[in-house]
Order: sequence, then structure tokens, then C-alpha cells
Amino acid sequence: DIQMTQSPSTLSASVGDRVTITCRASQSISTSLAWYQQKPGRAPKLLIYRASSLESGVPSSFSGSGSGTEFTLTISSLQPDDFATYYCQQYYSYLRTFGQGTKVEF
Amino acid sequence: QVQLQESGPGLVKPSETLSLTCSVSGGSISNYHWSWIRQPPGKGLEWIGYIYYTGSTNYNPSLKTRVTISVDTSKNEFSLKLISVTAADTAVYYCARYSYGGGYFDNWGQGTLVTVSS
Repeated sequence: DIQMTQSPSTLSASVGDRVTITCRASQSISTSLAWYQQKPGRAPKLLIYRASSLESGVPSSFSGSGSGTEFTLTISSLQPDDFATYYCQQYYSYLRTFGQGTKVEF
Repeated sequence: QVQLQESGPGLVKPSETLSLTCSVSGGSISNYHWSWIRQPPGKGLEWIGYIYYTGSTNYNPSLKTRVTISVDTSKNEFSLKLISVTAADTAVYYCARYSYGGGYFDNWGQGTLVTVSS
């Protein structure tokens, strides 16, 4: 299995902050990485695919970067609606695996 | 925009079989891969497996001996069966669509909580 490790697990931030979440893969996954946002009681929502491609309808304040084993999700200016848990997911291997999640809280 | 909706019992007894169905509306089930993903309360996401509309499947090795995913193209739906459940199978179960040509999930159902308890 390809293990995905996110850091930090919890992030305290304020509206307007620039926020960066890191996701590391246990082996190279090229750019086969997606990011999701999940709010309590809701299904995950796709934000980024292919490491840096923004899903249609997602604010441009979200961006992704990285390749190989290290990836980042950046929110350029945190908005009240952005307080949520974020997950990375690799799709390099048929056995899709997710990071453990990063909770962005006030 | 395609919509997915899970349905099935919310309570299953230990050692019995968990059965869920995902109904797809607003688009055809053809030409896509469809998946089940679960999330134990307060925990992260676990991929269970996928099915292509032709019926070919692939499962998470950790669940492979207990899982069956099937598809009914005439009803535009696909299903999950998980046998011999225990309390560890208590989770919110999501159905989701793989992006066309990709391996990430671009459409999700709202999820359904299944509790395993006597």
C-alpha cells in the first residue's frame, strides 16, 4: 500500500491567513494526487486533482503543488467557509489511499 | 450534474450482511468507474472498491474476502455487500464516481451511516 501522511493534523488559523497543508507519499506517485474538503456531516468535495489542477467551481484561493512524494495544498486567504477537514488521496496505485486528514480550525 | 444517493439499512447485526445500493441520477452509469468509500465515526476515509459499468471490479485487499460490488445498468445503480460484519464496520458509507479517465472521485453521495450492533 502507498501510505499518505498529512501534516499538521490540526491547524489553528484566522480569517485572512495563508494556510499550507502538506501531504507526503511513502513512494513516488508522480502527480496522481487529489485534495478534498470535508465539512461535518457532509461528503468530501473535490478541490484539486493531478496535484495542481483546480476543479471547476472551486475558488482560486485554493492551489496545489508538488510531485513525486511531497505535495502541498495552499489557501491564499482563509475564508469562514474554509474551516473544514482536508484530505489528500493518491491514485497512482489501484489501491486508492487517503491521508489521515488535516482539520483547519479557528 | 450527476447525483448519487445511497440507500439501505442503518442497523445491521454482528455476523450478518451489510447491503447498500447507490442510485445514480442525472447521467448514465455507463463509461465510468463507481466506488464505495467508508468513514468510521471521527476517523478518516477508506476506499472499499470499485466497479466498472461492464461489471469488472477491484477491491481493497483488506476487505476483499468479505466484499462484493455489483452493478445494474438497467436501473442505473450499483450495490455493496459486506459479509460477516463486526462493530469495526460501523461507518458512514459513501458511493462515489471516479472521474472520467482518472482515479479521483469527482461526485459523491451524501453518505449513509451503518451501525453494526445487536
